[in-house]
Amino acid sequence: AQSVTQLGSHVSVSEGALVLLRCNYSSSVPPYLFWYVQYPNQGLQLLLKYTSAATLVKGINGFEAEFKKSETSFHLTKPSAHMSDAAEYFCAVSATSGSARQLTFGSGTQLTVLP
Amino acid sequence: ETGVTQTPRHLVMGMTNKKSLKCEQHLGHNAMYWYKQSAKKPLELMFVYNFKEQTENNSVPSRFSPECPNSSHLFLHLHTLQPEDSALYLCASSQAASGGAGGELFFGEGSRLTVL
Repeated sequence: AQSVTQLGSHVSVSEGALVLLRCNYSSSVPPYLFWYVQYPNQGLQLLLKYTSAATLVKGINGFEAEFKKSETSFHLTKPSAHMSDAAEYFCAVSATSGSARQLTFGSGTQLTVLP
Repeated sequence: ETGVTQTPRHLVMGMTNKKSLKCEQHLGHNAMYWYKQSAKKPLELMFVYNFKEQTENNSVPSRFSPECPNSSHLFLHLHTLQPEDSALYLCASSQAASGGAGGELFFGEGSRLTVL
């Protein structure tokens, strides 16, 4: 069984501040982990993914995430928030050889960027 | 056209209507999916098709009927829906339903369904 918990359904940061979105996972086997972003009135878009290579993963738009097995975490960070980062972010876990149909999504975190 | 295209983007229907949602992918993928996205709930996987064969049906009510005539097209036929079925329905595709490309899904923009 696998599950994902995103801490904080809403996060607000000021423009230029650090963005930190939290994700903890549960998996009985080594997981594949993903962050997706959903802009208003759009579908989800892959930001980055961890597939058992480097534990620090860099994605698009300056985002990165670090896989920490001891903490079962895969938090998403960006050093400096931009207004265009306002969106909903979803963490997802796949624990069966990266099988897409086994993806389990978290409930999402709505990021607001304040001017 | 590129990516995953969904039509219509918005649909309003009565409980006795019959309508269909359409999804088309131009990525050469072999797996296609329907997800339901409701407010304040995680994405719910509804159906999975791999090489046109349905491989997963997550206890979806029979008032939702999927159809996958080929690897590029996916439909969701709707009939006698309930108001609680109002949601954003997202179509996605991937190279294959198991393994491949690290499990990345490519999503369409969704069809916003309102059931009156």
